[in-house]
Amino acid sequence: GAGVSQSPSNKVTEKGKDVELRCDPISGHTALYWYRQSLGQGLEFLIYFQGNSAPDKSGLPSDRFSAERTGGSVSTLTIQRTQQEDSAVYLCASSSNRAQPQHFGDGTRLSIL
Amino acid sequence: EDKVVQSPLSLVVHEGDTVTLNCSYEVTNFRSLLWYKQEKKAPTFLFMLTSSGIEKKSGRLSSILDKKELFSILNITATQTGDSAVYLCAVGSPFNTDKLIFGTGTRLQVFP
Repeated sequence: GAGVSQSPSNKVTEKGKDVELRCDPISGHTALYWYRQSLGQGLEFLIYFQGNSAPDKSGLPSDRFSAERTGGSVSTLTIQRTQQEDSAVYLCASSSNRAQPQHFGDGTRLSIL
Repeated sequence: EDKVVQSPLSLVVHEGDTVTLNCSYEVTNFRSLLWYKQEKKAPTFLFMLTSSGIEKKSGRLSSILDKKELFSILNITATQTGDSAVYLCAVGSPFNTDKLIFGTGTRLQVFP
């Protein structure tokens, strides 16, 4: 596609449920990053993919968070047993390589009731 | 610890004014500094700076980097209401897989 695509755009769920967030990067972009933007906070790094491998998972806040990438393209971020503090906008970005600018999707706004 | 600090936190101006947004940083093994504009959703890429003293320009926006003093500025001349947004500064380091470390942003409001 022309840009980074994320789905769903909004997700409301009850505390304790699992959620899956999807990112479809720009075609041909090998580097993929997930970030989280909480109300009043800056963007925080979660995880980096190069191809299908994740050499940097240092930003994942707990073991309830996991992510995978398949076919060097689509990535899924999964949050298990959601908590209210997980409420945030989850943004995905991709770049043709690490030294190039990252381009962001519109994000998924996650609200935990 | 790597960090990025932006100032001012917010700015209110009238159309036609010129504004300067500041970004200072501390990062191990710096590679690049990036500016983004965020309106309602996706941060939109503006500039990527890697070398000191070379101004990047796009229309009414321009930016420059000082790697000795560890800061960058973003200038917007003849502001328009469409420039209203949060402007984000971020730095990347190959030491850290080039993940971006973001400042908290400057909220710019331009009134007619």
